[in-house]
Amino acid sequence: KQEVTQIPAALSVPEGENLVLNCSFTDSAIYNLQWFRQDPGKGLTSLLLIQSSQREQTSGRLNASLDKSSGRSTLYIAASQPGDSATYLCAVRGNQFYFGTGTSLTVIP
Amino acid sequence: GAVVSQHPSRVICKSGTSVKIECRSLDFQATTMFWYRQFPKQSLMLMATSNEGSKATYEQGVEKDKFLINHASLTLSTLTVTSAHPEDSSFYICSALGTSGDTDTQYFGPGTRLTVL
Repeated sequence: KQEVTQIPAALSVPEGENLVLNCSFTDSAIYNLQWFRQDPGKGLTSLLLIQSSQREQTSGRLNASLDKSSGRSTLYIAASQPGDSATYLCAVRGNQFYFGTGTSLTVIP
Repeated sequence: GAVVSQHPSRVICKSGTSVKIECRSLDFQATTMFWYRQFPKQSLMLMATSNEGSKATYEQGVEKDKFLINHASLTLSTLTVTSAHPEDSSFYICSALGTSGDTDTQYFGPGTRLTVL
């Protein structure tokens, strides 16, 4: 069974810092990997989707990479802002979607 | 585009009652919808996959007689928690499978907070 792990579980950084969130998965047979943002008590907002054939995707200050063979993905956030504070989830799609445990990010003004 | 709504957003009920949660794809048709449950400080756990016009597929450990799923149209799936108990209190999120370009992707609803007293 696919297992998705995210490290760190929580992260606190001062505003303006660049940061990296990590996601690892055990089964490399995936169709795609997706990064989501979840605000407290809210649903999920899709940030980036990387197909299994792709290496990275970029959107604004966000950059996600995928190394399928090693079962790893990173989400890079540049010049962090207090509004980036949220929980970030990665999910891989195999025969179903598997979610990671999330990284809770706090950006301190 | 690709908006998914859930209703209600929050519900409080007494133990033993049944609660129905609706999931709608507002501007696209979804033959497949998913229901997830999320406990505090935990990730989403897939409960079942709902296919329009057919029976839902439940994940291991999810009681199909307790969590009734109906996907009667291409834009609506419902989850009914029957005889709810306090341990069913959770955040329930649905998603609908849509197409972005040539890629299938999930679009998530805003979630429903269920509290069973």
